[in-house]
Amino acid sequence: DAMVIQNPRYQVTQFGKPVTLSCSQTLNHNVMYWYQQKSSQAPKLLFHYYDKDFNNEADTPDNFQSRRPNTSFCFLDIRSPGLGDAAMYLCATSRPPTANTEAFFGQGTRLTVV
Amino acid sequence: AQKITQTQPGMFVQEKEAVTLDCTYDTSDQSYGLFWYKQPSSGEMIFLIYQGSYDEQNATEGRYSLNFQKARKSANLVISASQLGDSAMYFCAMRGRGAQKLVFGQGTRLTINP
Repeated sequence: DAMVIQNPRYQVTQFGKPVTLSCSQTLNHNVMYWYQQKSSQAPKLLFHYYDKDFNNEADTPDNFQSRRPNTSFCFLDIRSPGLGDAAMYLCATSRPPTANTEAFFGQGTRLTVV
Repeated sequence: AQKITQTQPGMFVQEKEAVTLDCTYDTSDQSYGLFWYKQPSSGEMIFLIYQGSYDEQNATEGRYSLNFQKARKSANLVISASQLGDSAMYFCAMRGRGAQKLVFGQGTRLTINP
């Protein structure tokens, strides 16, 4: 089945040690999103790609970077994870966004910082 | 800017009863879409139902229906005949016309009691 796949499901990293989360999709969607979701909170958009165009949210810390080498793959890089970066990270995709375009989510990567 | 408000942090319902989860929104767009997602404890966001701002009829998908009251800017989710597997977080979200991102509400944690 076509889907959005995130690896790994669980990631433990050390304070300050760079970490990369990956997302792949077989839906051939133009748009890929990265959301951060802390416990019992709404998902917060970090950034997204529309094809190769990168769109950063104004309040996303510089510590968070992203790469999209091709349509299928997108990576989230956290350069120096802090304890406050522990969260669920959700990748999502969508067709070119119109008002009726839903987003399809992966299963998420739960990041723990020790 | 769009804003979604979910005023019920938690709901407890007996199995087989119907439940209504509240969602109000604010937007200056004339064309927009409203979405409901379910997030089980495993973390993935599951798309449930969509309502367009110009749709005259309330959306339905199996046991899910959306009570859309445009003048009141509300889009409540109704789950009929609740099941134990319905226990999860539920998020209301919206996207304005041409907007590239989904804006989420704070969510409602629904617990179905046997």
